[in-house]
Amino acid sequence: KQEVTQIPAALSVPEGENLVLNCSFTDSAIYNLQWFRQDPGKGLTSLLLIQSSQREQTSGRLNASLDKSSGRSTLYIAASQPGDSATYLCAAMGYNFNKFYFGSGTKLNVKP
Amino acid sequence: DVKVTQSSRYLVKRTGEKVFLECVQDMDHENMFWYRQDPGLGLRLIYFSYDVKMKEKGDIPEGYSVSREKKERFSLILESASTNQTSMYLCASSVLLGGSGIDTQYFGPGTRLTVL
Repeated sequence: KQEVTQIPAALSVPEGENLVLNCSFTDSAIYNLQWFRQDPGKGLTSLLLIQSSQREQTSGRLNASLDKSSGRSTLYIAASQPGDSATYLCAAMGYNFNKFYFGSGTKLNVKP
Repeated sequence: DVKVTQSSRYLVKRTGEKVFLECVQDMDHENMFWYRQDPGLGLRLIYFSYDVKMKEKGDIPEGYSVSREKKERFSLILESASTNQTSMYLCASSVLLGGSGIDTQYFGPGTRLTVL
């Protein structure tokens, strides 16, 4: 069964810093890898989707990379802002019915 | 825009009550999912459905059942609520893998259920 791990569980940084969130998965047979954002008490919003054949995706200040061979993905956030404060979840999608396997998330706090 | 709605944002029930959580999506998606989310445990899949009247157990189906009578609606049922079912419940929908559309899941806002 796919296991997804996110490190660190929580991160606090001053505004303006560049930061990296880590995600690892045990089974490299994934359809895609996605990063989501979750604000307190709310649902999940998709940030970036990397297909299994791709190495990275970029959206604004966010860049996600994927290395299937090592079972790792990273989310890079440039010039962090207080509005980036949220929990970030990575999820590996399997080939079976679009099932997702989620990490437990990294809670990010960006201090003004 | 894809929209997934859930019937309640907050719900308080008593132990032993039968609880219905409703989820509706407006994008004609084939797949629908129910998760629960608990601190430190992440999202865990309870049940999913890939077609009307079809259902598959996820990782933690015990104490739950589901119903999908119409394509747009997926209901989660707690037959006899217990305190350990206090949690945030999230519904999601997606297209068939490799079908038209983006292979992601679209999430509802969640229902915070408290069982006393």
